Amino acid sequence: GESVGLHLPTLSVQEGDNSIINCAYSNSASDYFIWYKQESGKGPQFIIDIRSNMDKRQGQRVTVLLNKTVKHLSLQIAATQPGDSAVYFCAENTGENTGFQKLVFGTGTRLLVSP
Amino acid sequence: NAGVTQTPKFQVLKTGQSMTLQCAQDMNHEYMSWYRQDPGMGLRLIHYSVGAGITDQGEVPNGYNVSRSTTEDFPLRLLSAAPSQTSVYFCASSLAPGVGQYFGPGTRLTVT
Repeated sequence: GESVGLHLPTLSVQEGDNSIINCAYSNSASDYFIWYKQESGKGPQFIIDIRSNMDKRQGQRVTVLLNKTVKHLSLQIAATQPGDSAVYFCAENTGENTGFQKLVFGTGTRLLVSP
Repeated sequence: NAGVTQTPKFQVLKTGQSMTLQCAQDMNHEYMSWYRQDPGMGLRLIHYSVGAGITDQGEVPNGYNVSRSTTEDFPLRLLSAAPSQTSVYFCASSLAPGVGQYFGPGTRLTVT
């Protein structure tokens, strides 16, 4: 079946380093991808999204890269800060657009940033 | 804007009890949804709505009902709680399909 997964369940980095969180997706028809950040005890927070007609999109300190050839998505966080410590989820829109954005979520990667 | 709000934050139920999880948003979003989050699993869609008066089932709808009488509110009803419904429940809203959803803070439900 369709699935969205993450290669690394936990990523530990030093403050100031760049972080890269990876995600693999299995549905080649997926046309929209989102990265969420979830801090302990809180709901997921939208970080950045990208559509399948793009390879790269940049936000503030974050960049999302999409490689449709190998069905791979990554989130790059520049100059990682302790406040970036959280669980990061990728999600894909599988294309079942019956007027609603149905997303399939990955299980998450925990990012730990040490000072 | 308060964004997406959920009540209660925590709830303990006995098997067979019923209750309603409340969700409200003040962003005038047409699209709202309910997810559950279980350890080691991604968020799973329970029910969703594309506008007032319109709801549909998601991936795991059994045991839950929803209604959407207004744009702002989207309550989730547990008809007869079961231990398998122990989870964290998140409500989300978005302005349109294809746009990132905004999530509420969640309700942690325990069914004993």
